[in-house]
Amino acid sequence: RKEVEQDPGPFNVPEGATVAFNCTYSNSASQSFFWYRQDCRKEPKLLMSVYSSGNEDGRFTAQLNRASQYISLLIRDSKLSDSATYLCVVASSPSGSARQLTFGSGTQLTVLP
Amino acid sequence: DAGITQSPRHKVTETGTPVTLRCHQTENHRYMYWYRQDPGHGLRLIHYSYGVKDTDKGEVSDGYSVSRSKTEDFLLTLESATSSQTSVYFCAIQGQGNYEQYFGPGTRLTVT
Repeated sequence: RKEVEQDPGPFNVPEGATVAFNCTYSNSASQSFFWYRQDCRKEPKLLMSVYSSGNEDGRFTAQLNRASQYISLLIRDSKLSDSATYLCVVASSPSGSARQLTFGSGTQLTVLP
Repeated sequence: DAGITQSPRHKVTETGTPVTLRCHQTENHRYMYWYRQDPGHGLRLIHYSYGVKDTDKGEVSDGYSVSRSKTEDFLLTLESATSSQTSVYFCAIQGQGNYEQYFGPGTRLTVT
């Protein structure tokens, strides 16, 4: 079983649609949670951190359920520029303040005009 | 922009040759990381550093070594490259907030 599992998609949605991505993780000792986006042949870029209380950044809403070890990302009013691969990322601490990130394989999103 | 550069950006090398990849940061971050990204595996941690001369192994460290003689530079060395090390290599630094990491632009390495 992978440590971080995501639906690989692809998700093809029209502009303006709402789309939701889900992710589960297996390490109950995980300490920090993130969503990254990665454009084709580019580096991953931090989209947002995910907190237990849920958090929102514009059209993006992230939720964390520690009991179920489940993370979600909701994108409202999708734009063409949202087309990318979305990576669910979980951090644990190998020592001190260092953080080892474990990445899901990513969910591919294409927003269609 | 987290001020991270990687060099070279692309490299083709032959099996058995040594290869060194460089990661350079300009913002005095303590923690630095090397990952590789392969289809079907996502990004996986190779090695990380928690200070000058302080490094430790990650999930896929076999065949790789690292060095950090200055805060700003973190080097990844493949002592004798193999075709299984063909990959995209990303360097990252750890931010100050929620332990998030910021990535460099990557190095595409092909071992023939």
